[in-house]
Amino acid sequence: EAQVTQNPRYLITVTGKKLTVTCSQNMNHEYMSWYRQDPGLGLRQIYYSMNVEVTDKGDVPEGYKVSRKEKRNFPLILESPSPNQTSLYFCASSSPRAGGSYEQYFGPGTRLTVT
Amino acid sequence: AQSVTQLDSQVPVFEEAPVELRCNYSSSVSVYLFWYVQYPNQGLQLLLKYLSGSTLVKGINGFEAEFNKSQTSFHLRKPSVHISDTAEYFCAVLRTGTASKLTFGTGTRLQVTL
Repeated sequence: EAQVTQNPRYLITVTGKKLTVTCSQNMNHEYMSWYRQDPGLGLRQIYYSMNVEVTDKGDVPEGYKVSRKEKRNFPLILESPSPNQTSLYFCASSSPRAGGSYEQYFGPGTRLTVT
Repeated sequence: AQSVTQLDSQVPVFEEAPVELRCNYSSSVSVYLFWYVQYPNQGLQLLLKYLSGSTLVKGINGFEAEFNKSQTSFHLRKPSVHISDTAEYFCAVLRTGTASKLTFGTGTRLQVTL
């Protein structure tokens, strides 16, 4: 089954404790992206990656890091989490080739609480 | 840069009634348009998309949307809603020929009641 998986689904942590949220897709997609969803703000892009070793900032990259060492994986790293990073996080992937659908496939989400 | 406006944060409607969820966008370049649905405690699922061609697009679960270039709108419609359509709906735009940035609206909560 084609899918995007994220782990963990729920995480409660304390300020300053480094954490990583994993994202993996099995569709051989070149493009992957991270979003955060906050009430009244919709989804905002954090970082994206056009391919292996190619990443770039989205709208709200502060406090986050990413890496793309393999095509299927795109982990999100919070080096020193703060309470304002409490949010619902989504990973997405797509294959933006000419003639493609440009549809982004989303993971199930990771609900992060930083106390 | 692109932006998306969903003016209605909440839309209450009775079951079997028609519904329209409004979406307007702003962009200096051509865009692709999408509607996504988020059911409670789930991720986002694509309802429908407009890339080119016919401006009336049909999606899953009986939804359809019409692209209006002159009014920069992409309103979502369903002639008869069901309780199971209760969800959050997001309109999004993507600059044509790229995949770098999907810009979302703030969402519309559709609440269907008996």
